[in-house]
Amino acid sequence: NAGVTQTPKFQVLKTGQSMTLQCAQDMNHEYMSWYRQDPGMGLRLIHYSVGAGITDQGEVPNGYNVSRSTTEDFPLRLLSAAPSQTSVYFCASSLTSGGLYEQYFGPGTRLTVT
Amino acid sequence: LAKTTQPISMDSYEGQEVNITCSHNNIATNDYITWYQQFPSQGPRFIIQGYKTKVTNEVASLFIPADRKSSTLSLPRVSLSDTAVYYCLVEGRTGFQKLVFGTGTRLLVSP
Repeated sequence: NAGVTQTPKFQVLKTGQSMTLQCAQDMNHEYMSWYRQDPGMGLRLIHYSVGAGITDQGEVPNGYNVSRSTTEDFPLRLLSAAPSQTSVYFCASSLTSGGLYEQYFGPGTRLTVT
Repeated sequence: LAKTTQPISMDSYEGQEVNITCSHNNIATNDYITWYQQFPSQGPRFIIQGYKTKVTNEVASLFIPADRKSSTLSLPRVSLSDTAVYYCLVEGRTGFQKLVFGTGTRLLVSP
């Protein structure tokens, strides 16, 4: 299993540009989520999905869209990039609900918006 | 969601045992305590999870007193590669868990 994969690893955008961060998992996990981590901070939840076709907002959803058309993929779209979205983005997945199932994190995408 | 409090940083030397304590006074009856480890430029990695008393795996031990208002992650005989940030989280038993990561404890292991 490759686990949770994210592309790209690094990205530089200009203010106003849009892009999609890709996330895929091959563990047949039901739950997937996106977090952002700013320097020296913990992770904050952006959006999450409890299954294909079902998504919901996390703590900091503004400026981001998600969709979940398949179990494997959970892309994160930045609609109009802003410098405040400069951060490291992590995708995570878990088998199912509840604290009994550990979350697996991808390697992250480091995004810089100029 | 129960809020957690951990020391911001800790220093240790190779071969020592490190204990990181986390306070979670408002933990609910159905909540579990989970610890994650994060190396620089990597995503967090699950270390250990427990509900009460003691849990041990090949990496660490987790001690939870009877009142469950705190927990202690114990790393035996740390090495330089244990230098990382350690996060204590409290998670409910069911439903999607919106993990709440604080700033964690930055552990620095020196030779």
